[in-house]
Amino acid sequence: GAVVSQHPSWVICKSGTSVKIECRSLDFQATTMFWYRQFPKQSLMLMATSNEGSKATYEQGVEKDKFLINHASLTLSTLTVTSAHPEDSSFYICSATTGAYEQYFGPGTRLTVT
Amino acid sequence: DAKTTQPTSMDCAEGRAANLPCNHSTISGNEYVYWYRQIHSQGPQYIIHGLKNNETNEMASLIITEDRKSSTLILPHATLRDTAVYYCILLNTGNQFYFGTGTSLTVIP
Repeated sequence: GAVVSQHPSWVICKSGTSVKIECRSLDFQATTMFWYRQFPKQSLMLMATSNEGSKATYEQGVEKDKFLINHASLTLSTLTVTSAHPEDSSFYICSATTGAYEQYFGPGTRLTVT
Repeated sequence: DAKTTQPTSMDCAEGRAANLPCNHSTISGNEYVYWYRQIHSQGPQYIIHGLKNNETNEMASLIITEDRKSSTLILPHATLRDTAVYYCILLNTGNQFYFGTGTSLTVIP
């Protein structure tokens, strides 16, 4: 099956710094990638939808200047959390689709901001 | 916003069938029903999806009612490894998933 990877799998950063998370589709070209955030004991929350070569569409309440998404190629999307604060600590998950009714999820990235 | 409702939790004896219900009474004609599961601290894993016909694969069966307002995921012989949170999700025309709270399934030895 299609594989989506994320890097890093976990990261610890200091408050005020920025951190970049990569999402790659390893064996297929993804027309669209999605970013989710999940707090402990909660469900996944869609943050943004990203199409290759165009600006991401953010869900209501998600700050686009804080969560920068770049989708420069059909196999790579990046999420940069800028000026991270402890409340940004969460599990960030990406997914990718070819548009053919299948969505493949990455293993997630655990972000801890100290 | 999530358009599905599921029981918060369920238990199932190992080796027995696990039947997980999902209500989606406001489903529109072109929305697919998807089931994913998430084991702690991992990304969601695809299980099965369908539009209006019942579907079966190596993991599970999906039964969708004729009016499409509800569905049931069936794990025919639950094992301890099936303990996870199961999400029933509708795929919209934008290919976006809005997750609900899911059902926490515990398989009991």
